[in-house]
Amino acid sequence: DQQVKQNSPSLSVQEGRISILNCDYTNSMFDYFLWYKKYPAEGPTFLISISSIKDKNEDGRFTVFLNKSAKHLSLHIVPSQPGDSAVYFCAASAYTGFQKLVFGTGTRLLVSP
Amino acid sequence: GAGVSQSPSNKVTEKGKDVELRCDPISGHTALYWYRQRLGQGLEFLIYFQGNSAPDKSGLPSDRFSAERTGESVSTLTIQRTQQEDSAVYLCASSPIPQGYEQYFGPGTRLTVT
Repeated sequence: DQQVKQNSPSLSVQEGRISILNCDYTNSMFDYFLWYKKYPAEGPTFLISISSIKDKNEDGRFTVFLNKSAKHLSLHIVPSQPGDSAVYFCAASAYTGFQKLVFGTGTRLLVSP
Repeated sequence: GAGVSQSPSNKVTEKGKDVELRCDPISGHTALYWYRQRLGQGLEFLIYFQGNSAPDKSGLPSDRFSAERTGESVSTLTIQRTQQEDSAVYLCASSPIPQGYEQYFGPGTRLTVT
C-alpha cells in the first residue's frame, strides 16, 4: 500500500526554466509534508516542508504547494540550475508520538545547461 | 559540525551470514531512525529510538532484524541469516527531538547479499 506516490520517475528541464515535481498521498491523517533531495552516494537532505494548515511555503527558489482536497502537493523550482539535478523525495508524516516519515519513490530531476 | 555517520559504507556478504550496521547520530540528537531503500523503491521506515528505547519497531520486516542503541549515541542494526532480498541501502537519521519534523540523514550503508 503506497501511501505516498511520485508517479514521475524522472524529469528533464532546461536551465532557467521551472521544474515542477508532483506528489500524491492517500492517508488523510498526514499533517506535515516534506521534500528531501538526494545526491548519489549521499543521504537525503531536507529541502522544504509544509504544514497541512498552509497551502504554500516558499524558500528562495523553492516553493511547495499543498492541495488538501486533492491530496496533492508539488515542488516548484524556479529558476532551475544544473546543481539541482538530484533525486527528489516527497515525504509525509502523521504525528503518532514521533515523526514517522512515509516516503515516495522519488523523482530524478535532470537540469541541462 | 559533524553530521550523521554510518559504517561501513559498503558491505558485501554471503547469504546466511549475519551483518551489523552502525550509525553515529549527531551529538545531542535524542531521536534516531533506521530506514532502508531497496532498488527503485522509496525509503522504508524500519525502527525508531527515543534515547535508548525503541517505542516503534513496526517497520522491522522480520525477526531476523534487530537494533540497539547505546544511550543517546551509537546504534547498530543487525541482520541475522541474511537473504538476497535484504540487499538495500540502509539509512540512519537523527533529530533533536521526536516531535521534530526534520530528520538528518547519514550517507547510508549499501548492503549486497550474494
